[in-house]
Amino acid sequence: SQTIHQWPATLVQPVGSPLSLECTVEGTSNPNLYWYRQAAGRGLQLLFYSVGIGQISSEVPQNLSASRPQDRQFILSSKKLLLSDSGFYLCAWSYVSYEQYFGPGTRLTVT
Amino acid sequence: DAKTTQPPSMDCAEGRAANLPCNHSTISGNEYVYWYRQIHSQGPQYIIHGLKNNETNEMASLIITEDRKSSTLILPHATLRDTAVYYCIVRVGNNAGNMLTFGGGTRLMVKP
Repeated sequence: SQTIHQWPATLVQPVGSPLSLECTVEGTSNPNLYWYRQAAGRGLQLLFYSVGIGQISSEVPQNLSASRPQDRQFILSSKKLLLSDSGFYLCAWSYVSYEQYFGPGTRLTVT
Repeated sequence: DAKTTQPPSMDCAEGRAANLPCNHSTISGNEYVYWYRQIHSQGPQYIIHGLKNNETNEMASLIITEDRKSSTLILPHATLRDTAVYYCIVRVGNNAGNMLTFGGGTRLMVKP
């Protein structure tokens, strides 16, 4: 069966510091991968999606970037965090079917 | 993708059916209706989806009106663990990016 992992689960970072969040998927190959962000009390916002290694599409212009160095690995990064980057970051995957399956999320607090 | 409208919150008694409505009056012929839910501090969980026929699985039933402009998610016997935010999403089924656009959802509170 497929599983999706995210780490870390929680993170507290100062403004201006770098960020690296990692997502990996097991049990499938060539999945579509997604990064979403959820601000407190808000709906989910799609940040990036990838249909293959090295293929990244950005939905929202911001100081975040994403990379897919391996088939089942998706990384969300920032060189300098802003206060507005605080939120709940969710990675998701989908394959042949149209459903997306979400990871446990990373709660980021920028101080 | 078409926009959806859901009530911001609903209450339901434990053991009773929870009926969550969703309006999607601008839905296109190739757009599917999806339902996800998010329990507090967890990632969203897929529930069910459909195109025009009613659908049922082990979690819920999805009733889509004949004109497809609205739908209802039915949890037949709600439990306290069904307390969550429920998202109704309409999306082109063969979207290459397979993206989901989440709105505000309905916060369902199941009460004992």
